[in-house]
Amino acid sequence: GAVVSQHPSWVICKSGTSVKIECRSLDFQATTMFWYRQFPKQSLMLMATSNEGSKATYEQGVEKDKFLINHASLTLSTLTVTSAHPEDSSFYICSATGQGRYEQYFGPGTRLTVT
Amino acid sequence: DQQVKQNSPSLSVQEGRISILNCDYTNSMFDYFLWYKKYPAEGPTFLISISSIKDKNEDGRFTVFLNKSAKHLSLHIVPSQPGDSAVYFCAASAPPYNQGGKLIFGQGTELSVKP
Repeated sequence: GAVVSQHPSWVICKSGTSVKIECRSLDFQATTMFWYRQFPKQSLMLMATSNEGSKATYEQGVEKDKFLINHASLTLSTLTVTSAHPEDSSFYICSATGQGRYEQYFGPGTRLTVT
Repeated sequence: DQQVKQNSPSLSVQEGRISILNCDYTNSMFDYFLWYKKYPAEGPTFLISISSIKDKNEDGRFTVFLNKSAKHLSLHIVPSQPGDSAVYFCAASAPPYNQGGKLIFGQGTELSVKP
């Protein structure tokens, strides 16, 4: 149980374009989903927290207009990187947790490369 | 301000011996702690957790110890196996949990178990 999927697993896009990453909880209802990014050899940095049906809460320093998060259902959240630039190239990981749960279950991650 | 610290970036252990991974935290409001295992280009996998009301939690070869007065936790793996080689992250969370517990991650410790 507690399986989270992400799509795509990797994507290459040109500078200035937008990219959407999907995060799905496959066997449980995710009341809360989180989005992280990880740079090589570094820790996971939380970008935002999203609860189903409400606006995402962004961490300090994360541009909400650049990283659009939608959590339209209890099994799906999306992260859209708008007007991507090379510095947005990173490994993006989502996680999900269910009602009353402490543990977050992570997706496999998405490698974004902006050329 | 690094609230969760893993001061050892790497650890090498012989197969069959004990692996001890350490983690320190500064925020006294943290009341739930988790350990995750991560392979390159994959999402973290939940291993084991502990609530602040306990000082030990065991699951098979994995045991987590919590010393609240020292703000220190450790993960013991006995016996260590080559398949345990990965990066291990400790994470902590604090109330409120009404919108899902936000996790603060340490920098990770890369464990290498040699046959």
